[in-house]
Amino acid sequence: KAGVTQTPRYLIKTRGQQVTLSCSPISGHRSVSWYQQTPGQGLQFLFEYFSETQRNKGNFPGRFSGRQFSNSRSEMNVSTLELGDSALYLCASSLWSENTEAFFGQGTRLTVV
Amino acid sequence: GIQVEQSPPDLILQEGANSTLRCNFSDSVNNLQWFHQNPWGQLINLFYIPSGTKQNGRLSATTVATERYSLLYISSSQTTDSGVYFCAVEGTNAGKSTFGDGTTLTVKP
Repeated sequence: KAGVTQTPRYLIKTRGQQVTLSCSPISGHRSVSWYQQTPGQGLQFLFEYFSETQRNKGNFPGRFSGRQFSNSRSEMNVSTLELGDSALYLCASSLWSENTEAFFGQGTRLTVV
Repeated sequence: GIQVEQSPPDLILQEGANSTLRCNFSDSVNNLQWFHQNPWGQLINLFYIPSGTKQNGRLSATTVATERYSLLYISSSQTTDSGVYFCAVEGTNAGKSTFGDGTTLTVKP
């Protein structure tokens, strides 16, 4: 079956702009989580959605937001981009919100210039 | 929140050698996963192992939840095993995984 699909794979944006990233989970999976990976901070949890509801949120400013649609696809949005937002953004798909195996997409590499 | 510590941070091996990677965590966990991050950034699932022992080819893993650690064993290492290995745990804060800083493995031919 198809894996987790993230689009776009690469993105270059200018400071102050906003960006939207997309994640399509594995068919039948209802939970989608987002992570940011940077060389300095490692992998950090952004937020988790289950059945269109945000269940959990990490310690990121309000510029980072997300949503989940009825087909479980999720988007995350970053407004007023800063240079420090340059990172690999990874999306994870799992059947349930807890106690289940997570599968990751290939990520979106965002560069802010 | 839960703390995850991986050791060693870096490991250099000759092809054919065996290795053990360790993951310590500071609190009870609902689940634990090991991943290998490929050069393109994707996290590849190795094991979903909240407790017990599993084996998959040359790789095996053991989690002793009561003592709050997990071990990943790689036997007869190959150059293709090179990369970063991550341990991720889900504590009582369901839906949120906390990652360790990873172990960077380099296997030389």
